[in-house]
Amino acid sequence: GDSVTQMEGPVTLSEEAFLTINCTYTATGYPSLFWYVQYPGEGLQLLLKATKADDKGSNKGFEATYRKETTSFHLEKGSVQVSDSAVYFCALSPLSNFGNEKLTFGTGTRLTIIP
Amino acid sequence: DGGITQSPKYLFRKEGQNVTLSCEQNLNHDAMYWYRQDPGQGLRLIYYSQIVNDFQKGDIAEGYSVSREKKESFPLTVTSAQKNPTAFYLCASSPQVRLTEAFFGQGTRLTVV
Repeated sequence: GDSVTQMEGPVTLSEEAFLTINCTYTATGYPSLFWYVQYPGEGLQLLLKATKADDKGSNKGFEATYRKETTSFHLEKGSVQVSDSAVYFCALSPLSNFGNEKLTFGTGTRLTIIP
Repeated sequence: DGGITQSPKYLFRKEGQNVTLSCEQNLNHDAMYWYRQDPGQGLRLIYYSQIVNDFQKGDIAEGYSVSREKKESFPLTVTSAQKNPTAFYLCASSPQVRLTEAFFGQGTRLTVV
């Protein structure tokens, strides 16, 4: 079945450091790929998405590129801030003609940014 | 404002009691989902529904039940058969045709003592 593998955390970085959180997936066909962010005590918010190969999703300085050849969707940010401290989830939704689509999540990566 | 409302935010129950978690959305979405979140395990799908009066089991449905009598509402009942019910529960919704984004509620933290 479909699965998502994320870089294990926790990850601790200094403010203004470069961030990479790795995500690889297993799925048939061409799934849609997502990054969600969860702040303490809250639900998940969509951070960015890509729906086809070579698409780049971007938002709030974060980027991720859909790489079909390596089945990857790594999250990057050039200069992190303390406010970026959160748990980040990679997720996929399979392409289906039956409308029977649901999200499969990775285990999440906790990111802490220190001033 | 459109969105998903989960209530209550915190819930305490005694072991052996059934408890129902509320989830309401005003986004006019057809599909709704319940996920369970445990530390270090990510999100696991409990149940989902793509249309009123129909729902399917997810990966960990045992010990849970749902109903979908209205498009806006998808309550989850945690029964006494659920062996380890203490967790953070998240409800989500999405448009039916193609899952381009799921919208999540703020979650309910259930503690069984």
